[in-house]
Amino acid sequence: KAGVTQTPRYLIKTRGQQVTLSCSPISGHRSVSWYQQTPGQGLQFLFEYFSETQRNKGNFPGRFSGRQFSNSRSEMNVSTLELGDSALYLCASSLQGSREEGETQYFGPGTRLLVL
Amino acid sequence: AQTVTQSQPEMSVQEAETVTLSCTYDTSENNYYLFWYKQPPSRQMILVIRQEAYKQQNATENRFSVNFQKAAKSFSLKISDSQLGDTAMYFCAFMKGTGNQFYFGTGTSLTVIP
Repeated sequence: KAGVTQTPRYLIKTRGQQVTLSCSPISGHRSVSWYQQTPGQGLQFLFEYFSETQRNKGNFPGRFSGRQFSNSRSEMNVSTLELGDSALYLCASSLQGSREEGETQYFGPGTRLLVL
Repeated sequence: AQTVTQSQPEMSVQEAETVTLSCTYDTSENNYYLFWYKQPPSRQMILVIRQEAYKQQNATENRFSVNFQKAAKSFSLKISDSQLGDTAMYFCAFMKGTGNQFYFGTGTSLTVIP
């Protein structure tokens, strides 16, 4: 079974631009979660999607948004980029997500975003 | 609020030796799950081991085992017979019984020395 895939792997943008990142979960997984990883803040939860609905959201500004499609693929969008948005963005998939207690999440390789 | 603390930013171990990585957490929840993930230099996060809080028995996965002390809110990872491929950043993570959100520690960078 193919693992979680994320595209693109690397991205360079300038301040003020917007960016869209994509995540394809493991086949059969319906939950996709997004995390931001930075040296200063570590790994922080952005949001979780299940069946095209956002089920949970972390403490990030409204510039960070996402969506999920009927095939469970998910996209994350960041508008009006700031220098501090430079990070590794990881997505993780699981079968049922928050509908199942303590479910293991499987991570993708991440998208490295650099904002200049 | 949930917090996870990994007090050892960096550790090293000789190949074939045993090393223990520390993790403590703070929560008022009674039902939760604890995980150790490994992030090698390639950046892919990989599950190492998982523990249900309601289970008293410590989880083991081959060379990896945990020492789960619920009262002390401690969840350490022991790696036996360390191998070069164990070199990675190790993250301790907490998940409430309700919800799917991980709370991660800041990580411990482990280097296995040949």
